[in-house]
Amino acid sequence: DGGITQSPKYLFRKEGQNVTLSCEQNLNHDAMYWYRQDPGQGLRLIYYSQIVNDFQKGDIAEGYSVSREKKESFPLTVTSAQKNPTAFYLCASAAGGWEKLFFGSGTQLSVL
Amino acid sequence: SQQGEEDPQALSIQEGENATMNCSYKTSINNLQWYRQNSGRGLVHLILIRSNEREKHSGRLRVTLDTSKKSSSLLITASRAADTASYFCATDVPLKTSYDKVIFGPGTSLSVIP
Repeated sequence: DGGITQSPKYLFRKEGQNVTLSCEQNLNHDAMYWYRQDPGQGLRLIYYSQIVNDFQKGDIAEGYSVSREKKESFPLTVTSAQKNPTAFYLCASAAGGWEKLFFGSGTQLSVL
Repeated sequence: SQQGEEDPQALSIQEGENATMNCSYKTSINNLQWYRQNSGRGLVHLILIRSNEREKHSGRLRVTLDTSKKSSSLLITASRAADTASYFCATDVPLKTSYDKVIFGPGTSLSVIP
């Protein structure tokens, strides 16, 4: 089945630790996105990428980093510089600009 | 500030009634999309309407777009308890580069009471 997979489903971070959230898609989509969702809130754009080896900052990129070395993979690292990382993180992909997004099932990140 | 804002923030209706949610946005767009999210899950795409379209239907869903007012509405007819979820509008904002951003509003929480 084609789809977009996020892992892990739950992740815990200690103080000063960097953690990486995985996002993989087998839809052959060019565009990939990372969003953060806080309880009862909408989605805020962290990073997005339209092609391999290129990506752009979204509205809340500080404290996060990404890479796009392969078309199917767009991992997100939450660095120690992100002081309030507890949130639900959603990855999405699209065939290109102006097309609908396909979402993964999300990763809940919490701080120990 | 948000590109898109849904209204109302929360809506509670009886099963069988219609539910209407509105979305307003600030800048010009290529298209507007509506998504649904069940609690703790990813978002599911419902419908996409392009900037040159005024109305679109999909099953029990009807979406309108008024680019002069920078607003859209989502109508769910004959609601069911299974429609209980959060609904988000998303706008595709064109940029000067080849990139474009998809920006989501804060959402409307819909409760359909059996």
